[in-house]
Amino acid sequence: DAGVIQSPRHEVTEMGQEVTLRCKPISGHNSLFWYRQTMMRGLELLIYFNNNVPIDDSGMPEDRFSAKMPNASFSTLKIQPSEPRDSAVYFCASSYYLQVPSNQPQHFGDGTRLSIL
Amino acid sequence: GESVGLHLPTLSVQEGDNSIINCAYSNSASDYFIWYKQESGKGPQFIIDIRSNMDKRQGQRVTVLLNKTVKHLSLQIAATQPGDSAVYFCAENDPRRAAGNKLTFGGGTRVLVKP
Repeated sequence: DAGVIQSPRHEVTEMGQEVTLRCKPISGHNSLFWYRQTMMRGLELLIYFNNNVPIDDSGMPEDRFSAKMPNASFSTLKIQPSEPRDSAVYFCASSYYLQVPSNQPQHFGDGTRLSIL
Repeated sequence: GESVGLHLPTLSVQEGDNSIINCAYSNSASDYFIWYKQESGKGPQFIIDIRSNMDKRQGQRVTVLLNKTVKHLSLQIAATQPGDSAVYFCAENDPRRAAGNKLTFGGGTRVLVKP
């Protein structure tokens, strides 16, 4: 079965440029999560969606960050303008969520390694 | 516990020995716990989960133990192999959070398997 697919795997760009990260969740999953991982701060939840609706974006660092989920099979995380401190590995994860929480594990993609020069 | 990410404790294990990785959590309302394995250059990979109505669950070569009294979770790996070298994270879910499935991750433990 195809897992969570992220693109690109690596992105190097200059500060000030717009960066768009993409994620395709596992088919049938209706909950999607964006994380950022750095050596200093570990794994941080940025935002998550249930049934394409953003539920909690309290982890989004600032207004330069935005995320969308236009349909059940695609999500984007955009940084505009990018800064060197945004350099990190960004992960997308998906899970199956029911109205009554059923505690399903999240499954992660292999991430996008982002370097802002 | 909250992810700190600043310094990873390291567990060195001889190949063939059993490994025990520990995790302390602070939220007594958490009712679901997961262990993840992260290899270099990859995303966290689901290993095993356990619900709070259980105190032990076994998988293939892995066992998770949950002690709710002292808020402690452990992962035991039997007959550790070189492929088990990775960073291991525990994660927990608090059902009181709006629209469940949101996890809080621990800081991780690095496991190094010596041949």
